[in-house]
Formats: sequence, structure tokens, C-alpha cells
Amino acid sequence: DAKTTQPPSMDCAEGRAANLPCNHSTISGNEYVYWYRQIHSQGPQYIIHGLKNNETNEMASLIITEDRKSSTLILPHATLRDTAVYYCIVRARYNTDKLIFGTGTRLQVFP
Amino acid sequence: KAGVTQTPRYLIKTRGQQVTLSCSPISGHRSVSWYQQTPGQGLQFLFEYFSETQRNKGNFPGRFSGRQFSNSRSEMNVSTLELGDSALYLCASSLGAGGTYEQYFGPGTRLTVT
Repeated sequence: DAKTTQPPSMDCAEGRAANLPCNHSTISGNEYVYWYRQIHSQGPQYIIHGLKNNETNEMASLIITEDRKSSTLILPHATLRDTAVYYCIVRARYNTDKLIFGTGTRLQVFP
Repeated sequence: KAGVTQTPRYLIKTRGQQVTLSCSPISGHRSVSWYQQTPGQGLQFLFEYFSETQRNKGNFPGRFSGRQFSNSRSEMNVSTLELGDSALYLCASSLGAGGTYEQYFGPGTRLTVT
């Protein structure tokens, strides 16, 4: 079973920041938080990942709470092309690439 | 650098047949994983390979098998196809095994079983 809980859907106005929450209260010290998105049955696209520090790249920012039990993915200026299903995944640090996908959050960006 | 490639992209098979899907990882990547995506079950892990060895296997029947070659390319095979095997099959690759290494997905092979 997935170790994360996400809201099933969210809306965001184009140009505004999209903040997608994820709960992973049972995460262990040897597990990363990963975010992927999937646009209309294409292969999932890697967005960002982090262990305990906040992370930022050209696509998004990842804010992880100090106790690591939850995180927020931030898309700073959402566009229509960001409409997708976003998956938050807890991934083992060592020895396996297995990803356990939950149902994700369907983000709808509207004009 | 080229991404993960999967062939064929679309496939139609008949019940009882067998099928082989191919995945070429990103150059230099040694770990390959396979996933099945269906509307009912979502994305489910099939198996993973690292340096030609199967490291992990998901909860799928023995009809699903795979292998990895010395150049890291991977194939998965499904024998005795059933209607329920209709799905998008996704391959992902990474430099090594573990969360330290980002994992990238291919576009998938859409299999339809009639």
C-alpha cells in the first residue's frame, strides 16, 4: 500500500502558485519524498525529490516539514500545461527502485 | 541525452498469445523497473533489474517475466495473455538502485488484448 495521502483533486488559476500537499506520517529516516506527475497517460515525469531539506529546481519547490511527516510541492506559476495527476511517493534510500504509487492529486489549472 | 525508449508503443494481441516488450534505458543507467498501469488498479510495480539481476518483484502471476541484458536494455514478457492484461506498460531507469538516484520513465507501451 502507498505510504502517502493526497487530496484527490485541486484547482489552480493560471499564473498563480499551486501548492500540493502530501501526508507521509509513517516515513522512515531512510526514505526520500519523491514527486512525479503524469499528463494524460504519458509516462510519469520526475519533478523533484528530497530527504529532509527543502529543495528547488527549475520545475518546482519541495517543502518538507521538520518532522518529515508531510510535504508540499509548489509550482510557482502554474500554466495550463501543468494540468496533470501529481504523485507523492515515499521511496527507499537504498537497494531498490520500487515505487509504490497512490492515487495522486489531479491538478486542474484553469485560465 | 536520449530518454528512456520503449518499443513498440502500441500493440494489439489476442487472448492466449504471448508478447514481448522492450525498454532501452538512458545511457549509463544500470537499473530498470517495469510498471503496469490500468484504470482500475493504477500504477503497479512489476519488477526491477540491476546489472542483469532481478532485485525485486511485484505481486503478479508467473505469466509476467522479464530480463535485463549486459547493455542494461530490458525486456518483459507476458505469456498466455488475458483480457485483464490490457494496460499501459511503463519502464523506468536510473543510475543505481535506491532513492539517491532519480528515476526516469519512458512513454510506455499500450497493450490491448482482444
